[in-house]
Amino acid sequence: EIVLTQSPATLSLSPGERATLSCRASQSVSSYLAWYQQKPGQAPRLLIYDASNRATGIPARFSGSGSGTDFTLTISSLEPEDFAVYYCQQRSNWPPNTFGQGTRLEIK
Amino acid sequence: QVQLQESGPGLVKPSGTLSLTCAVSGGSISSSNWWSWVRQPPGKGLEWIGEIYHSGSTNYNPSLKSRVTISVDKSKNQFSLKLSSVTAADTAVYYCARVGIYYDSSGPTYYFDYWGQGTLVTVSS
Repeated sequence: EIVLTQSPATLSLSPGERATLSCRASQSVSSYLAWYQQKPGQAPRLLIYDASNRATGIPARFSGSGSGTDFTLTISSLEPEDFAVYYCQQRSNWPPNTFGQGTRLEIK
Repeated sequence: QVQLQESGPGLVKPSGTLSLTCAVSGGSISSSNWWSWVRQPPGKGLEWIGEIYHSGSTNYNPSLKSRVTISVDKSKNQFSLKLSSVTAADTAVYYCARVGIYYDSSGPTYYFDYWGQGTLVTVSS
């Protein structure tokens, strides 16, 4: 099973700042990695697929990069609605699909 | 717009069987998509349970495989989850999700693109 490790666990930033979230895989997942956003009481929402492709309707301030074992989600300028929990997920070597433990992005 | 809606008991007794159904609207369960269950214990992360294709083919998380059955009912456009021998550790919000198909230069790739709102199932006597 591929283990995904996200860092940091919590990121405290202010609106307008740049956010950089990391996801590291225990073995190569090529580019088969997605990022999801989850707000309290809501289901996750697909943001990025195949490491760097924005899903439908996702603002351009969200971008993804990386391949192999190291991936990054960047939010270029934080909006108030971006404060949430973010998960990475791999679909390279499945079953099982696996998720990272999440990064909480909170308002500083 | 595809919509998914989970339903089922919110309370299950220890050693019992958890049973949930996911109704799909705005699309056909007989499309080229897989259909999945994901759960999230309170305050914790996401865990994939398993998935099903309309043909009845399934994939399960090895950690749960011995206790999980996912089935599909094409006539009702829905799929279902059964989890047996439940304990308090199975208390979670259970989500159903569609596995969307995306294409890159290597062929199709698959991610969760539509989700239900989730339903909390508590295991307690």
